[in-house]
Amino acid sequence: GENVEQHPSTLSVQEGDSAVIKCTYSDSASNYFPWYKQELGKRPQLIIDIRSNVGEKKDQRIAVTLNKTAKHFSLHITETQPEDSAVYFCAPPEIMEYGNKLVFGAGTILRVKS
Amino acid sequence: DTEVTQTPKHLVMGMTNKKSLKCEQHMGHRAMYWYKQKAKKPPELMFVYSYEKLSINESVPSRFSPECPNSSLLNLHLHALQPEDSALYLCASSQGTVGTEAFFGQGTRLTVV
Repeated sequence: GENVEQHPSTLSVQEGDSAVIKCTYSDSASNYFPWYKQELGKRPQLIIDIRSNVGEKKDQRIAVTLNKTAKHFSLHITETQPEDSAVYFCAPPEIMEYGNKLVFGAGTILRVKS
Repeated sequence: DTEVTQTPKHLVMGMTNKKSLKCEQHMGHRAMYWYKQKAKKPPELMFVYSYEKLSINESVPSRFSPECPNSSLLNLHLHALQPEDSALYLCASSQGTVGTEAFFGQGTRLTVV
């Protein structure tokens, strides 16, 4: 099965600074790498994902980079804002015949101080 | 419609009670999931249904019983729960193939007393 490690567990940044969260996975067959954001008391929501045929993907202030050789992918948030404060999870799926068995990292609590 | 709807939002039940959690989606997704999330922890997979058939049971105790009456509905029947089963129960759905987004419901906050 997939083993996932996520670092750091907590991250405090000043508003406007950048934040980077790293996720390491074990299954070399993995080919889909999503990041979920969960605000306090709310559901996890996909914020960005990347597939193994690309190395980087950007969506406004958010980007994900993938290093398949080293088996890790990272979430980058630039120009952080207070509303970015949340828990972020990487969740590479375990390859199955059908269905996404998402394997969640332990989560990173991001605090953006204004 | 990209909504996964869960009811109820909150549930308090005694250890001898029987209750059910409900989940509904109308996105045509063929895979549906139950996750359990304790405070300050990531969601943990409990069950996966693919095409209305149970495809994964993550060694969940039998006091949790899932049911998929049709492709849009997913239930979780609860019986004789323990206080440690108190958690946020999340339903999710996806198209099913690897590399497709999983959409989560807002969850049911369950308290067992």
